[in-house]
Amino acid sequence: NAGVMQNPRHLVRRRGQEARLRCSPMKGHSHVYWYRQLPEEGLKFMVYLQKENIIDESGMPKERFSAEFPKEGPSILRIQQVVRGDSAAYFCASSRPGLAGEQFFGPGTRLTVL
Amino acid sequence: SQQGEEDPQALSIQEGENATMNCSYKTSINNLQWYRQNSGRGLVHLILIRSNEREKHSGRLRVTLDTSKKSSSLLITASRAADTASYFCAPINFGNEKLTFGTGTRLTIIP
Repeated sequence: NAGVMQNPRHLVRRRGQEARLRCSPMKGHSHVYWYRQLPEEGLKFMVYLQKENIIDESGMPKERFSAEFPKEGPSILRIQQVVRGDSAAYFCASSRPGLAGEQFFGPGTRLTVL
Repeated sequence: SQQGEEDPQALSIQEGENATMNCSYKTSINNLQWYRQNSGRGLVHLILIRSNEREKHSGRLRVTLDTSKKSSSLLITASRAADTASYFCAPINFGNEKLTFGTGTRLTIIP
């Protein structure tokens, strides 16, 4: 049973470009969470999604960031017009319905903005 | 969910010794999760302990939970170099699914 998969593992973008991060949850998991980790800090919650629904986006910056989890395919975290401050590790986690506390994390995508 | 605070912030011990790290939280919880993060990697789920449990074991790991003191501890016995990592706790409240992490305990095992 494959774990949570994220790609790409490393992403380099120039300021002003768009970044698309993908997350495929574990088999049987329909809940996806995105977290961001800045250097020397803990993970910060960004958004919680179920299939075709955003449940909680209280941690998402108001501008330039969006997330989706379509009926088919991976969850996508999209960052438009990236700035240097967006450089971070972005982690995706997934869980089964009703077991939101048991979140399993992917390996992360390290975004570097030049 | 509320944030857990790990203590100490950093811990260095000799290989073979036991390592204990603590987690405190502010309000009542349903479960508490411990994670490990190796440098540059994702979080690895270690142990989930429920609010009605006092102790749980998994291999060399032992987690305790004291709901009256709102604290949990993670004990790693017979430490190995591969245990070098940051350790995080995440208190869980049903109905508030987001996990909130502190800065963790950075554990270094000296060979």
